[in-house]
Amino acid sequence: DAGVIQSPRHEVTEMGQEVTLRCKPISGHNSLFWYRQTMMRGLELLIYFNNNVPIDDSGMPEDRFSAKMPNASFSTLKIQPSEPRDSAVYFCASTLAGQEVFFGPGTRLTVL
Amino acid sequence: GDSVTQMEGPVTLSEEAFLTINCTYTATGYPSLFWYVQYPGEGLQLLLKATKADDKGSNKGFEATYRKETTSFHLEKGSVQVSDSAVYFCAPSGTGRRALTFGSGTRLQVQP
Repeated sequence: DAGVIQSPRHEVTEMGQEVTLRCKPISGHNSLFWYRQTMMRGLELLIYFNNNVPIDDSGMPEDRFSAKMPNASFSTLKIQPSEPRDSAVYFCASTLAGQEVFFGPGTRLTVL
Repeated sequence: GDSVTQMEGPVTLSEEAFLTINCTYTATGYPSLFWYVQYPGEGLQLLLKATKADDKGSNKGFEATYRKETTSFHLEKGSVQVSDSAVYFCAPSGTGRRALTFGSGTRLQVQP
């Protein structure tokens, strides 16, 4: 398996623009997570899905953030409008039945 | 929900020194326990795991023993190398928010 796939790997955008991050979990995994990592806050859980259904989105910082999982093999995290303080590395991760979590390589987002 | 507490970093050691990073868990049952490692510029990856009490996980010279009596899963390595410089995260299995909250981990810096 190719592991968790994220795109793009790097994104530079201007404040106010819409940003969409994409994730393909490992085939057969039933849980998917979106994390944000910064030096100040460490690795924060934003939202997670079980069987494509959002279970806990209490970590989503604001209404500007939204996540979808239309099927078992694809998820998106959207920021609209983006702000400089959203600059971070965003990780997608997946697991099966709550065991080992597999992380993607991350998307480094810079909002100017 | 299940959760862990690990020591704050950074930990700075000289090459060939002995390493211990403390991790204690709080759980209603006996979850699997994991240590993840994040090398610079990469996502988290599994370092080792233990699935039940008294199990010892080991990989790349690192070891951790799942101790029920002290609810601990401390990470140890007898002789660290500069290439071990990374951030280390302790985590239990499970899909609850507390189990999935990785936080800042423990940063290890090994000096030549």
